[in-house]
This record gives sequence, structure tokens and C-alpha cells, in this order.
Amino acid sequence: AQSVTQPDIHITVSEGASLELRCNYSYGATPYLFWYVQSPGQGLQLLLKYFSGDTLVQGIKGFEAEFKRSQSSFNLRKPSVHWSDAAEYFCAPSSNTGKLIFGQGTTLQVKP
Amino acid sequence: EPEVTQTPSHQVTQMGQEVILRCVPISNHLYFYWYRQILGQKVEFLVSFYNNEISEKSEIFDDQFSVERPDGSNFTLKIRSTKLEDSAMYFCASRKGLAGTEQFFGPGTRLTVL
Repeated sequence: AQSVTQPDIHITVSEGASLELRCNYSYGATPYLFWYVQSPGQGLQLLLKYFSGDTLVQGIKGFEAEFKRSQSSFNLRKPSVHWSDAAEYFCAPSSNTGKLIFGQGTTLQVKP
Repeated sequence: EPEVTQTPSHQVTQMGQEVILRCVPISNHLYFYWYRQILGQKVEFLVSFYNNEISEKSEIFDDQFSVERPDGSNFTLKIRSTKLEDSAMYFCASRKGLAGTEQFFGPGTRLTVL
């Protein structure tokens, strides 16, 4: 069965520190991979996506993610976190039918 | 910039009542989706819709649920007889083309069933 795991439910980092949010997926083939962010009371905004090609993808707001086929991972990174990055982050592989399968989400708290 | 819109933003209803949640997808998009997020839980896929028919649905999407694209712009989710456990945030999404292209999400409708 297709599944996605975000092992970290809650992460707290200091402003200016680096960030890595983990995502592991289980799929028959390489899926399309997405990271979405949800700020409190808001909808879901796409941060970045991976389809094929270069395994390091750049997104909005200074985020990047690296696809590692051998580890079935698609971890999200940011070199320096800003207070406005506090939100919930969802990793979501997409099946070839197009539906997104969301992980449990990681809540990011940023300390001043 | 085009965006997906949803109305109402918050709907309160009594158990057993019918509700219709409305979405206006981006105008040149062809694939439409409903997801829901129960408070504190992950976002779950409900149904996908293409070419005026359901293309895929989850086990959550039982006979109490239906979707419709009544005209060229609206996409609706109907819950025939609401239950307490239907209380959730419901998100509509649309995408333009092939699988793997970005889904654009609406701001959601918070449904509260009393």
C-alpha cells in the first residue's frame, strides 16, 4: 500500500538556525513528490515538487528538498529559518491517478 | 493570480441535515478533488473528478457523499445526512493537467456538525 511517513510530529528551532524535515514514502515506483505548508487557519500552499531529473529541487521561501531513491526519502531543508516559517508542513506523494497522499505533518515552532 | 475559492468558510449544521460545500476551481483546470482534515489529523483524500465523473474515491466517500459539477465553474460536495464525525475542514483542489502537476488548494470550509 502507498504510504508516507513524517517521523517528526513537532520540531522547534531557533530563528536563523537550519532546518530539516524528514519524509519517507512507500510506493511501487517513484512517485511525484510534493511539500505543502499550512499556516494556522489557512489552506495548503505548495512549497516545491519533484517529478524527475535533478534530485535537488528548489522551492519558494528559500526551501529546498532532496529526493533520495535509495532511501525512499524526500527531506525538506532550509538553511536559515525565519519566524514566519512557523507552520505545519506536509509531505505528499502523488499517485499516477493524481491524488495526494499526505503524511501526518510536522509542526514547526520557531524560537526568537 | 487565479485561485480556488470555497464557500462558505464555516458551516454549522445539525446532525442528520444535508450540507453542500461549494468550490470554484481555477477556470482552465480539468481535474478536481475534495480532501478533508479532521482537527489534529492529517489531510485525507476523498474523491477526484474528471470529465464529469468520479475518477477515484476513498473508502471514506460512502453513499452519504456525492460530488457534482453543475455548471462550467462550480464543483460541489454534498453530504446527505451529516454525522458528528463529518466535522472537519474540507478542502477543494484543482489541477490543470497530467498527474504530477501541482494541485491548487482552496482555503477550506470548516464544517461543524452538532
